[in-house]
Amino acid sequence: GESVGLHLPTLSVQEGDNSIINCAYSNSASDYFIWYKQESGKGPQFIIDIRSNMDKRQGQRVTVLLNKTVKHLSLQIAATQPGDSAVYFCAENHHGSGNTGKLIFGQGTTLQVKP
Amino acid sequence: DGGITQSPKYLFRKEGQNVTLSCEQNLNHDAMYWYRQDPGQGLRLIYYSQIVNDFQKGDIAEGYSVSREKKESFPLTVTSAQKNPTAFYLCASSMFGDNEQFFGPGTRLTVL
Repeated sequence: GESVGLHLPTLSVQEGDNSIINCAYSNSASDYFIWYKQESGKGPQFIIDIRSNMDKRQGQRVTVLLNKTVKHLSLQIAATQPGDSAVYFCAENHHGSGNTGKLIFGQGTTLQVKP
Repeated sequence: DGGITQSPKYLFRKEGQNVTLSCEQNLNHDAMYWYRQDPGQGLRLIYYSQIVNDFQKGDIAEGYSVSREKKESFPLTVTSAQKNPTAFYLCASSMFGDNEQFFGPGTRLTVL
């Protein structure tokens, strides 16, 4: 069946260091991936997304890498700041027959930034 | 100000009572979604609607009901049939066929 999972439930980094959050997926038909950030008690916020015809996409201080061979994607945050402390979710979608817009979420990784 | 709103932010319910959570969006999005989130867990899809007057069950629809009478509104009713309703409920919306979903601030439901 489908599953999206993150490798580590908690990641602790020093302020200023780079963070790498990993995610594995099992459905090779997935054609779209998205990362969300969720702060405590709030709804998830969009960070960055990537389609399966790409292997890298960059945003402001964030980069998403997609490795379709091993069904793995990662979120890299440069120069991590205290405001980056949150839970990060990856989600995937595939536009198979009758499937439109449904996202399948992983369980999340908590990023803790130490001052 | 465009966005998606949920009310109330906190909700308390006695066992055996039905309760309705509100979700409104003014983004002119076609599709709307309800998710449930338990502590330390990801989001699980309860119901979704891609168009007015139509909706489909998600992965955990038992004990929940929805309606979609207006494009901008997608209320969720948690019925007494839901065995473990205490959770954080998130509503989202998206353009039809679009992947990115925009989330509301959530409603935390506690059953006393």
